[in-house]
Amino acid sequence: DAKTTQPPSMDCAEGRAANLPCNHSTISGNEYVYWYRQIHSQGPQYIIHGLKNNETNEMASLIITEDRKSSTLILPHATLRDTAVYYCIVRATTSGGQNFVFGPGTRLSVLP
Amino acid sequence: DTEVTQTPKHLVMGMTNKKSLKCEQHMGHRAMYWYKQKAKKPPELMFVYSYEKLSINESVPSRFSPECPNSSLLNLHLHALQPEDSALYLCASSQALGINKNTEAFFGQGTRLTVV
Repeated sequence: DAKTTQPPSMDCAEGRAANLPCNHSTISGNEYVYWYRQIHSQGPQYIIHGLKNNETNEMASLIITEDRKSSTLILPHATLRDTAVYYCIVRATTSGGQNFVFGPGTRLSVLP
Repeated sequence: DTEVTQTPKHLVMGMTNKKSLKCEQHMGHRAMYWYKQKAKKPPELMFVYSYEKLSINESVPSRFSPECPNSSLLNLHLHALQPEDSALYLCASSQALGINKNTEAFFGQGTRLTVV
């Protein structure tokens, strides 16, 4: 199973871009990179996922390096409501793929 | 509709009680999951159902008994729990593996369980 490593915590000023890194150096060719976040005492919230191309949606952008060994989640204009724990997960979607296994994540604090 | 509904939101039970947690989704997802989350820790996978059959049991004690009566419902039956089982229990659903399409999991807001 591919493992991910993330910094335990990060700070970001309100209104600035938050760039959250994730290393997944053992990722397999059929494994996607997923990002979730969990605001205190709520269920995890899906943010974005990708395979090898960069992805963007209304919440965030996902930049995956060409060798796919790392990725960065970008929140373009962080607000106080983005304070949460952010989880990077790698997962295959074909039969026999692993399930959504959470690592410790990055605790992002958006500061006023 | 991308909602996973869990009931109850809060539950306090004694160590001799029997209770059940319920989870419901109407997204047509055929994979459903139970997670346990202790304070300040990431969610830990407990069980996975795929097409209403139990496909993964992560060595969970038998005092936790999952049930998937149909494709929209997932239950977790609780009996003779210990105080250390107090936690947030999360349910999730997704397209089943093997469909070969990328798919995210949607999580409910959880049931906060306290065992006294």
